[in-house]
Amino acid sequence: DAKTTQPTSMDCAEGRAANLPCNHSTISGNEYVYWYRQIHSQGPQYIIHGLKNNETNEMASLIITEDRKSSTLILPHATLRDTAVYYCIVRTQGGSEKLVFGKGMKLTVNP
Amino acid sequence: GAVVSQHPSWVICKSGTSVKIECRSLDFQATTMFWYRQFPKQSLMLMATSNEGSKATYEQGVEKDKFLINHASLTLSTLTVTSAHPEDSSFYICSARRLAGAYEQYFGPGTRLTVT
Repeated sequence: DAKTTQPTSMDCAEGRAANLPCNHSTISGNEYVYWYRQIHSQGPQYIIHGLKNNETNEMASLIITEDRKSSTLILPHATLRDTAVYYCIVRTQGGSEKLVFGKGMKLTVNP
Repeated sequence: GAVVSQHPSWVICKSGTSVKIECRSLDFQATTMFWYRQFPKQSLMLMATSNEGSKATYEQGVEKDKFLINHASLTLSTLTVTSAHPEDSSFYICSARRLAGAYEQYFGPGTRLTVT
């Protein structure tokens, strides 16, 4: 699996947009970008995934650069409940099914 | 939809005993389930991949005779930690992939194992 690089941590004010960056410069053409998050002492929660087009769902938006070497997860109006470790993962959708978790990034939403 | 449960949510056992953890997909059928382990302040580490009706595939360094995995149906997988030792104390998390369609993995809430 291609590796990803994320900042170790980030703070965000409640109610503001949280923009979480991820670098995946070695991503292959058939690899998707997945985002999961893990709130303390819980199982990871799927957020969103995409290949090359920007994606949006009820939780977040995913912006992928044209060269696909980086992406940004956007939480439009962060709440205190969004405080979690966020994992950016790249993997093929139809091939290897393993999700390999890196260290992730701790997002702290402050009141 | 896509709910995965684990039982128990936490367990304390004595060294040398065995512990079974169940993982169930409540509202969908899962051909593939995964077992992860997470030590404090560390990321999730994949232990094994299990497909319904076949033997699990273990990641390098994971002892298959110590961590017994059974995936007897499309909604249930079990992980048995045999002859548990204090170093096996960890947060065990399972995930399940749907029978068909999307490739998202849905995770259970985890099981906290403490071996005394």
